[in-house]
Amino acid sequence: GQQVMQIPQYQHVQEGEDFTTYCNSSTTLSNIQWYKQRPGGHPVFLIQLVKSGEVKKQKRLTFQFGEAKKNSSLHITATQTTDVGTYFCAGAGANNLFFGTGTRLTVIP
Amino acid sequence: NAGVTQTPKFQVLKTGQSMTLQCAQDMNHEYMSWYRQDPGMGLRLIHYSVGAGITDQGEVPNGYNVSRSTTEDFPLRLLSAAPSQTSVYFCASSSGYSNQPQHFGDGTRLSIL
Repeated sequence: GQQVMQIPQYQHVQEGEDFTTYCNSSTTLSNIQWYKQRPGGHPVFLIQLVKSGEVKKQKRLTFQFGEAKKNSSLHITATQTTDVGTYFCAGAGANNLFFGTGTRLTVIP
Repeated sequence: NAGVTQTPKFQVLKTGQSMTLQCAQDMNHEYMSWYRQDPGMGLRLIHYSVGAGITDQGEVPNGYNVSRSTTEDFPLRLLSAAPSQTSVYFCASSSGYSNQPQHFGDGTRLSIL
């Protein structure tokens, strides 16, 4: 069955350092979505990527979708304490959505 | 506009008890789903519904029942609670199908003793 693997599981960075999380699927995806979950909160949708090779930016966040539509990455430039939380990717098939296990980001002031 | 509303926020049950987790959305979304979140395992789909009167099983359906009598409501029932069902439960909805962006409720933190 479809699986979505996400690495790393945890990441600790000093404030101002960059951060990247990676997502890989065993099958070709129709789209990939990214969510952020603050500690004690619920997942909040950030962005959806649909096209092969697509790159989207939201301020300091850069999202990429691989050419084969099987992998994706989220890169945060110059992390801030407000970036703390768990970042999930979710790979979409034709009629389903599989969440990765998430990357928990800790930012040390 | 409240979005997705879940009640209760916290609940403690004894093994063998039953209960219903409530979920309501006011966005007129056709697709609704229930996930459970356990440490290190991400979000796992329990049951979903593509519209009123239609439900189907997800990845981890055992021990749970759902119904969808209206577009707005999608309750999740635990028939006989077990300690393995201790988890955080999220209800979600989307305007499109299951592979579209999901709107999540605040979650229900459930402990089974």
